[in-house]
Order: sequence, then structure tokens, then C-alpha cells
Amino acid sequence: NAGVTQTPKFQVLKTGQSMTLQCAQDMNHEYMSWYRQDPGMGLRLIHYSVGAGITDQGEVPNGYNVSRSTTEDFPLRLLSAAPSQTSVYFCASSSLGQGYSEAFFGQGTRLTVV
Amino acid sequence: AQSVTQLGSHVSVSEGALVLLRCNYSSSVPPYLFWYVQYPNQGLQLLLKYTSAATLVKGINGFEAEFKKSETSFHLTKPSAHMSDAAEYFCAVIAPGSGYALNFGKGTSLLVTP
Repeated sequence: NAGVTQTPKFQVLKTGQSMTLQCAQDMNHEYMSWYRQDPGMGLRLIHYSVGAGITDQGEVPNGYNVSRSTTEDFPLRLLSAAPSQTSVYFCASSSLGQGYSEAFFGQGTRLTVV
Repeated sequence: AQSVTQLGSHVSVSEGALVLLRCNYSSSVPPYLFWYVQYPNQGLQLLLKYTSAATLVKGINGFEAEFKKSETSFHLTKPSAHMSDAAEYFCAVIAPGSGYALNFGKGTSLLVTP
């Protein structure tokens, strides 16, 4: 099993550019989420989805969009990149059946906005 | 929102010594609690989880944690530290009905010295 796959692993953007961070899982998990990790801040929730067609905002959603057209994929879009969005981004998935299971994380995307 | 507080952003122990990483949670309902580990430049890996079964939870790599409701704590311990335990450790909490989002502590960096 590949688990949770994130692409790209590294990306450098110029201020104002847009891009999409890809996330795919092959475990048929209903719940998917995006976090950003900044030094001394832990991981903060950006957006999450409890199933295809359903998304909601987390703690820090501004500047990001998501969609969930399939169970497997949950892309994160940066609309107009800003230096404050320089961070490491993690996608996670988990199963909601019979109670909550552990969250499985991708390897992360390290994004630098210059 | 449910939250966790990790005491000590950096902990240093000698190889073979006891590891104790502290986590306190705030929750008005029985929470699900987790400890994750992150090795350099990698994603997060689940160490152990509490889901209202046994209060003493055993995880991977010799780690365990005890849920103490009276103290609202979920401290992580390991009897004897190995050099390979050097990593970032995160405590996280969710409360059923919260959208299953994980709220992370800010992390504790464990340094193991020879």
C-alpha cells in the first residue's frame, strides 16, 4: 500500500503565483485533512473533508481552497501565494467507520514563497 | 475547541535514562488522545492512542502513556532512551463530534546524548 502520497515534495513559488498541492490516499478513508507545520507552532488544520463532495474550514483556511471530487484525492490550492505561506504542508487521512482510527500522514510538501 | 499543552519544547536525556514527555489536555468530554513522532524531514507516525479503553496504553518502540482523567494528562514515557529516539514528539486530541480534526500540541524535541 502506498498510503498517503503528496506531490511535490519541494516547491518554490514567487509571491502572487498559484499552485496546487496534490494528496492521494489508497486506503478508502472517508476523512482527509490538510495541516501546515511551522516552527514552534505544531501542526495547524487548514481544511478537512468527511467525504466526497464535503469540505470544511479548519483553524487557518485563509488563502487556501480545497475540493473533494473523489474519495481518493484532496488537493490544496494556493490562490495567490504569500511569503506567510512558506511552510511544510501535510495531508492526512483516516477512517470514520466504527469510530475514529489513527490519522495516516503523507511525507509532506516543503513550500517556500519568495 | 479541545486543545493540548506540551510542557517543554526541548527535552534532553542521556542514553539509557527515562524519557518523560508531558501532555495536558482540555476537554469537557472523554477525548481521543494520540502521540505522534516525527523524524527529521519525514511525516508523522503514530506512537500510540487512547480511545477510552485501558488507561495505560502501550505503543511502538517501547513507549507508553497513561491517561489520568483527574489530572487531565497523557504523559509519554519510555524506561530507557535510545539514540534512535531523538525526534519531535506531538501530542494530539480530538473530541467525537468535532469533525474529527486533530488539535496538536506545539511539539517537544527530544535530544538523546551518549
